[in-house]
Amino acid sequence: EVQLVETGGGLIQPGGSLRLSCAASGFTVSSNYMSWVRQAPGKGLEWVSVIYSGGSTYYADSVKGRFTISRDNSKNTLYLQMNSLRAEDTAVYYCARASAANTLDVWGKGTTVTVSS
Amino acid sequence: QSALTQPASVSGSPGQSITISCTGTSSDVGSYNLVSWYQQHPGKAPKLMIYEGSKRPSGVSNRFSGSKSGNTASLTISGLQAEDEADYYCCSYAGIWVFGGGTKLTVL
Repeated sequence: EVQLVETGGGLIQPGGSLRLSCAASGFTVSSNYMSWVRQAPGKGLEWVSVIYSGGSTYYADSVKGRFTISRDNSKNTLYLQMNSLRAEDTAVYYCARASAANTLDVWGKGTTVTVSS
Repeated sequence: QSALTQPASVSGSPGQSITISCTGTSSDVGSYNLVSWYQQHPGKAPKLMIYEGSKRPSGVSNRFSGSKSGNTASLTISGLQAEDEADYYCCSYAGIWVFGGGTKLTVL
């Protein structure tokens, strides 16, 4: 079964760092485009970052320079390193797989990040 | 990249049909046939309902259909059922992924 499971969320103070993980099963992370999408409380979906199968990475302007997406092929796991966290980064963070048609077709259940003092 | 424009809410009675619009620009919705639609129930992850504008993933009811005209994509749900009540998001790929603001569907 194709599945994504996110972990690593929690309560963190402004300015702090957190690393999210997304463990994949049923498919190979390194062979796919993998993205992070977030949803602030009561708000809509916001694309955050992508890592392409070739290793290229891209970020939304709102997180550029603060967040880093990466993957560990041996663990079949996607990561999101989040530094210099702000209150506006508070959200549920989902990892998602992009299909060949660049559709985000498989989503995890999400992990909650709360940035507050 | 600006968010795609969706109505904040739509409603319909059981058995009726509703349509949710998603307006972008010639740089995203209008340029590519890569619009997808997601259903999200409260506290749950988004679920893919339509991809490439009008294709349904396996397991999604044929009551859900998608179309596009110019810079506007649309999701139509026919034969409304109580379980269709949810938030719906459109998404366009144009080098990066851009989402609409979401539409809350209420089944009366």
